[in-house]
Amino acid sequence: DAKTTQPPSMDCAEGRAANLPCNHSTISGNEYVYWYRQIHSQGPQYIIHGLKNNETNEMASLIITEDRKSSTLILPHATLRDTAVYYCIALTGTASKLTFGTGTRLQVTL
Amino acid sequence: DTGVSQDPRHKITKRGQNVTFRCDPISEHNRLYWYRQTLGQGPEFLTYFQNEAQLEKSRLLSDRFSAERPKGSFSTLEIQRTEQGDSAMYLCASSLVLGTDTQYFGPGTRLTVL
Repeated sequence: DAKTTQPPSMDCAEGRAANLPCNHSTISGNEYVYWYRQIHSQGPQYIIHGLKNNETNEMASLIITEDRKSSTLILPHATLRDTAVYYCIALTGTASKLTFGTGTRLQVTL
Repeated sequence: DTGVSQDPRHKITKRGQNVTFRCDPISEHNRLYWYRQTLGQGPEFLTYFQNEAQLEKSRLLSDRFSAERPKGSFSTLEIQRTEQGDSAMYLCASSLVLGTDTQYFGPGTRLTVL
């Protein structure tokens, strides 16, 4: 699975959009980009995933560049409850284990 | 709630004791995963099952660790002769492999070995 790179931390004001970047320059054509988050002391929570096209669900939007070498997770209106560590993971569709990096610690502030 | 459940949520044990954790996956999910997470680190893969079959084990899974999924539903993870280094959060996830393998995690079992 391709290695991903994320900034270690980001801040966002409550009510504003949080844009979390992820680089995956060695991603292969059959690898999806997955995003999970982990709120303190809880299990990771699935957010969204995509292959080529941009995706949106009730939690977030995922924007993948045309060359697929990077992506951005967008939380449109961040709240204090979105404070968490966000993990970007690349893996093939039927792969097994998730390989978590260090993620981005998002702090949402008043 | 039909999510992944784990029991117990917290376990404190003394070094050398055996412990067993249980995971109940989302109904009809055919894959079940175990991960371990130590403080400040991301989760690390331990093993996974597809139905009853254990298909992959990490090198992290020493011979003191054993996992089972006897009927393809719930799973147990046993640690024998616990060591202080086993203190961690043990996470279970399940998925239905249908196109993609989106894993859904339980709340975890926090193990403290004294």
